Amino acid sequence: EVQLWESGGGLVQPGGSLRLSCAASGFTFSSYALSWVRQAPGEGLEWVSDISGSGGSTHYADSVKGRFTISRDNSNNTLNLQMNSLRVEDTAVYYCAKVGAGGYYFDDWGQGTLVTVSS
Amino acid sequence: EIVLTQSPGTLSLSPGERVTLSCRASQSVSSSYLAWYQQKPGQAPRLLIYGASSRATGIPDRFSGSGSGTDFTLTISRLEPEDFAVYYCQQYGSSPLTFGGGTKVEIK
Repeated sequence: EVQLWESGGGLVQPGGSLRLSCAASGFTFSSYALSWVRQAPGEGLEWVSDISGSGGSTHYADSVKGRFTISRDNSNNTLNLQMNSLRVEDTAVYYCAKVGAGGYYFDDWGQGTLVTVSS
Repeated sequence: EIVLTQSPGTLSLSPGERVTLSCRASQSVSSSYLAWYQQKPGQAPRLLIYGASSRATGIPDRFSGSGSGTDFTLTISRLEPEDFAVYYCQQYGSSPLTFGGGTKVEIK
């Protein structure tokens, strides 16, 4: 059974930084791309970033490019998201999601971690 | 960027009814790279359909997807009580990946 467990969320002031992590189990970690998807309170889903299985290829939404950095540790089955220069509009539940074998849809999701950016 | 528009925004229906949800893309979605998700309050989304019409593992056959190009549909043949939720479409044919705004299916 695939399990994804996010951690690291919390309250941070505008301009601050936070690092999210996602611990994974139940699949061959290095064989799958992974992604972060966020959901602002009461809103829809927004893709944030993704990373290939090897970690050699990354992509970002324009809204976070230059501020967020995605990375992975294939020896420890962990996905990370370093978030800098946080803005109020980054407030959301952040989900870690496993990319499907047949394309960039998301076939497994974590439970999410809430990031609140507020003064 | 491909913009996905879902309609209607909310549907009020009774258990046992058939429901059809629409997802329209601002430009053609290549190779029918279109997925559907279900999300219940306080829960993560769950993959229902990928490749426009392929059911994900463990998804009941009352859920079906169809469409190509710019028009896609999710059909629930007979609503069960556990199907009342918000449904999102997502395209993965081009970057950036984008989601529709969602359709809420509520109990009438």
